Amino acid sequence: DAGITQSPRHKVTETGTPVTLRCHQTENHRYMYWYRQDPGHGLRLIHYSYGVKDTDKGEVSDGYSVSRSKTEDFLLTLESATSSQTSVYFCAISARGTYEQYFGPGTRLTVT
Amino acid sequence: KQEVTQIPAALSVPEGENLVLNCSFTDSAIYNLQWFRQDPGKGLTSLLLIQSSQREQTSGRLNASLDKSSGRSTLYIAASQPGDSATYLCAVLTMDSNYQLIWGAGTKLIIKP
Repeated sequence: DAGITQSPRHKVTETGTPVTLRCHQTENHRYMYWYRQDPGHGLRLIHYSYGVKDTDKGEVSDGYSVSRSKTEDFLLTLESATSSQTSVYFCAISARGTYEQYFGPGTRLTVT
Repeated sequence: KQEVTQIPAALSVPEGENLVLNCSFTDSAIYNLQWFRQDPGKGLTSLLLIQSSQREQTSGRLNASLDKSSGRSTLYIAASQPGDSATYLCAVLTMDSNYQLIWGAGTKLIIKP
C-alpha cells in the first residue's frame, strides 16, 4: 500500500469553528489531492497540489483552503465549518509520469 | 467535456461466475484510465491502471481492457468470490483536465455465496 496517512480519522465539530485535516505521504510523490465523497455525488475534487506551494482549485473549492509547505504534507482547512461540509474527505497522491492515484484511508467529518 | 458512465449501477451474481463491469467515456483523448475498488466505509484501492497506449492490464483474477476508439473499458473478474463484493469505480485522466480524474458513479457488486 502507498504510504498515505490522514489525521484525524474522525472528527465532530460545531458550525463556525475552523478545522484542519492533514494528509501525509512517504512516497515523495509530486501531486496531492483532496476529495470529498457524499452519497449521490460520488467523489468530487476540492483542491490539488502539483508541488510545494503550488496548488489549484477543484470543482468544489468554496469554503476550503489548502497549503503545502513540504512535499510530504498537504493540509485542508475549513475556515468556518458548515453543516454542508459534513462528509468523508479523502487525500490522494500521484507520481509524475504515470499519474496513478493512490488514496488515503479517509477522514469522516461531522459538523453539528 | 469528458463524461464517464458506468452501467449497471448494481450487479448481483452467484459465487464462481465470471463477470464484466463496464465503463464508457465520451472523449477518446485520454491519458490513462484507472479502476478502483471501494469497500463500505473504506478508502479506495487502485486495482489497475491502463495507459492510453495500452490495450489491457492484468492482475491476478482481474483483467481490464481499453478501447479508446469506442470510448470503452471493461473490468473482467474471473471466478468471483464473496470477497469481491464492493463498489468498483473507473476514472479517466484526459489531456486537458489539469491532471484531474473524471469519475464514473461506480458499480456496486454483490457476490452471493
